[in-house]
Amino acid sequence: EVQLVESGGGLVQPGGSLRLSCSASGFTFSSYAMHWVRQAPGKGLEYVSAISSNGGSTYYADSVKGRFTISRDNSKNTLYLQMSSLRAEDTAVYYCVKDNYERAFDIWGQGTMVTVSS
Amino acid sequence: QSALTQPASVSGSPGQSITISCTGTSSDVGGYNYVSWYQQHPGKAPKLMIYDVSNRPSGVSNRFSGSKSGNTASLTISGLQAEDEADYYCSSYTSSSVWVFGGGTKLTVL
Repeated sequence: EVQLVESGGGLVQPGGSLRLSCSASGFTFSSYAMHWVRQAPGKGLEYVSAISSNGGSTYYADSVKGRFTISRDNSKNTLYLQMSSLRAEDTAVYYCVKDNYERAFDIWGQGTMVTVSS
Repeated sequence: QSALTQPASVSGSPGQSITISCTGTSSDVGGYNYVSWYQQHPGKAPKLMIYDVSNRPSGVSNRFSGSKSGNTASLTISGLQAEDEADYYCSSYTSSSVWVFGGGTKLTVL
């Protein structure tokens, strides 16, 4: 079964840092680009970041550029999102998402909640 | 990276058809055939319903169809069923090499 499981969410103070992880199984992780998408409570989906299959290329939404870093370890089938200088507006459920080779998101994790508050 | 424009809500009766629009610009929807649609039930992760404007993933009902004209993409659901009631989001690849989502549309089945 193809599966993505996020972890690492929690409560963090404004200005703080947090690292999210996403463990992948059931497919050849190293063959696919991966993404992070977030959803603030009661709000819509917001694109966050992407990384190519070999990790050589990364992309970020303007709202997180310079503060978030996406990375992956293909030997561990794991995707990461290092978040720093966190703001209240970063509060959201963060989803790990698999690319389907056609620039669409075909597999989603269950999400991990990040709350930025003092 | 402005969000794509979707109607906040649409509604229809069982058996009817509805269409949800998604309007962008020539830098996203109009410039690429990489428009996708997602269904999200409350408390659940989104599910891919349409990709590449009009392609359905395996397992998605053929009651769901997609199209595009210029800078506007559309999702049509025919033969509405109670289980179709959900939030729907469009997404497009952009000229900035990132993706953008629409604001979401709440579908109510009357």
